[in-house]
Amino acid sequence: DIQMTQSPSSLSASVGDRVTITCRASQSISIYLNWYQQKPGKAPKLLVSAAASLQSGVPSRFSGSGSGTDFTLTISSLQPEDFATYYCQQSYSAPYSFGQGTKLEIK
Amino acid sequence: QLQLQESGPGLVEPSQTLSLTCTVSGGSIDGSSYYWDWIRQPPGKGLEWMGSVYHSGTTNDNPSLKSRVTISVDTSRNQFSLKVSSVTAADTAVYYCASGHGGNPGTVHYWGQGTLVTVSS
Repeated sequence: DIQMTQSPSSLSASVGDRVTITCRASQSISIYLNWYQQKPGKAPKLLVSAAASLQSGVPSRFSGSGSGTDFTLTISSLQPEDFATYYCQQSYSAPYSFGQGTKLEIK
Repeated sequence: QLQLQESGPGLVEPSQTLSLTCTVSGGSIDGSSYYWDWIRQPPGKGLEWMGSVYHSGTTNDNPSLKSRVTISVDTSRNQFSLKVSSVTAADTAVYYCASGHGGNPGTVHYWGQGTLVTVSS
């Protein structure tokens, strides 16, 4: 099975900050990497698929990059609605494992 | 736009079988481009992919669940279902039915709202 490791586990930042979340796979997964955003009490929402493909309706301040084993999600200028928990997930092979999550909090 | 809704008991006794159903609207469950997933999240913890069923009926499940999981499709009702046998307190979680489309199984485009299932006597 492929293990996904995110860092950091939590992050405090201010509105307007640029933040980067990292996800590492235990083996190469090409670009089969997705990013989700989850707010308390809600289902996750797909932000980025195939490492860098922004989903329709997702603000352009979000961007994804990487291939192989190392990936990043960047938010260029944090907005109040971006404070949430973010998960990466590999869709290279079943079981389609998730990272442990990164909780983004207001500083 | 596909919409998914979970239903089933919110409380299950230990050693019993957890059963949930997901009703799909806005699309056909036997559409060739869709796949249907179950994902769960224990309270305060991360997400765990449990398994998938495809329009053909082919299933894929997570070996970590030790063959306790059965996922099936009922095309006549436009529903798919989850059964987890021999449950313990560790199976207490919010259970999400979910779906994706296109050529990349595992990528979840659509989510149900989630339903909390508590395992307790």
